[in-house]
Amino acid sequence: GAGVSQSPRYKVAKRGQDVALRCDPISGHVSLFWYQQALGQGPEFLTYFQNEAQLDKSGLPSDRFFAERPEGSVSTLKIQRTQQEDSAVYLCASSYHRVDTEAFFGQGTRLTVV
Amino acid sequence: DAKTTQPTSMDCAEGRAANLPCNHSTISGNEYVYWYRQIHSQGPQYIIHGLKNNETNEMASLIITEDRKSSTLILPHATLRDTAVYYCIVRVRGSSNTGKLIFGQGTTLQVKP
Repeated sequence: GAGVSQSPRYKVAKRGQDVALRCDPISGHVSLFWYQQALGQGPEFLTYFQNEAQLDKSGLPSDRFFAERPEGSVSTLKIQRTQQEDSAVYLCASSYHRVDTEAFFGQGTRLTVV
Repeated sequence: DAKTTQPTSMDCAEGRAANLPCNHSTISGNEYVYWYRQIHSQGPQYIIHGLKNNETNEMASLIITEDRKSSTLILPHATLRDTAVYYCIVRVRGSSNTGKLIFGQGTTLQVKP
């Protein structure tokens, strides 16, 4: 596709519900990143994939957060038993090379936990 | 990665140059300066990056001081569409780095007619 695509654009979840957020990176991009952006703040790194390998998950805030990229393309960020503090915009980014190229971001998924 | 300091907000008149400063006094010799911007309700967008030489592309110019402790992003002719949050980020490039970006609070640039 022309850019990084994320779905859904908006998600409202009841507290305790599980959610799955999808990211379609630019075709051929090796690196994929997930970021969390709280209202009024800059994005914060969650996790990084190189192809299907999750090489860095140091930013995941709790074991309720899980990400996968099984075939090295589409990625899913799953949040179990959502809490109100999980309300944020979740951004996905991809880049062609492992480290030395610019990252392209999707528009994000705005998650609201009520 | 080194920490950056940016003003919280700035205004600029449409058609004038917008100069956005960034301090990175603890930058290391192998750290690059990157600029991204985020227009409302969109994901961040890459603008430009540099190591020690000044850089220019179709979007902006990046001026890095000789001691590399600060830099300035210049939008030569700001338009209303340049209204956004601008992030200055310093990070290492190369195999030892995953490429993750550490964003600060950024500078909110308001371009006014």
